[in-house]
Amino acid sequence: TQLLEQSPQFLSIQEGENLTVYCNSSSVFSSLQWYRQEPGEGPVLLVTVVTGGEVKKLKRLTFQFGDARKDSSLHITAAQPGDTGLYLCAGEDDYKLSFGAGTTVTVRA
Amino acid sequence: ETGVTQTPRHLVMGMTNKKSLKCEQHLGHNAMYWYKQSAKKPLELMFVYNFKEQTENNSVPSRFSPECPNSSHLFLHLHTLQPEDSALYLCASSPQGRETQYFGPGTRLLVL
Repeated sequence: TQLLEQSPQFLSIQEGENLTVYCNSSSVFSSLQWYRQEPGEGPVLLVTVVTGGEVKKLKRLTFQFGDARKDSSLHITAAQPGDTGLYLCAGEDDYKLSFGAGTTVTVRA
Repeated sequence: ETGVTQTPRHLVMGMTNKKSLKCEQHLGHNAMYWYKQSAKKPLELMFVYNFKEQTENNSVPSRFSPECPNSSHLFLHLHTLQPEDSALYLCASSPQGRETQYFGPGTRLLVL
């Protein structure tokens, strides 16, 4: 299993603020996925990034895959209470996923 | 709706009990997975099934016994569990072992 480290572990911000979550590894991945998990539910896939340096935007969420395909970031602009949840990154290699421990994001109204 | 359902959603059991978790996927996928999610730890992959055949067992204790009768159903049979086995157990499926996995809502297990 390849280790992915997510930072910060917890993040609490006011509605309207921006936030960035990081996912780092010493391993190279074929692709990297971001999931959001709400309390009492399973993780839901947000995006998959495949190419080094790739940037994908999903409304107020921006995902970036590092040039070396070892790290990724998730940036949320003008966060809303509905963005509250556990954000998980998962690196894929040879069809196997390795997950980070997650970042718990709380957006206060 | 993710198309992956799990029952029960919550389970409390004693260390001498025997219980089973059920997972069903309605997505036509051929690969199914069991994960364990504990607080502040990464998701731990437990078992992988491809076309009903077990292809991965990540050194899971024998008190956890998986069963996959067909590509749509996956069970996890539990017996003589320990309190440290308390966790959220997640089932997932994917098309023919491809990397995009779709998760069920999980079963919250408490072992007393």
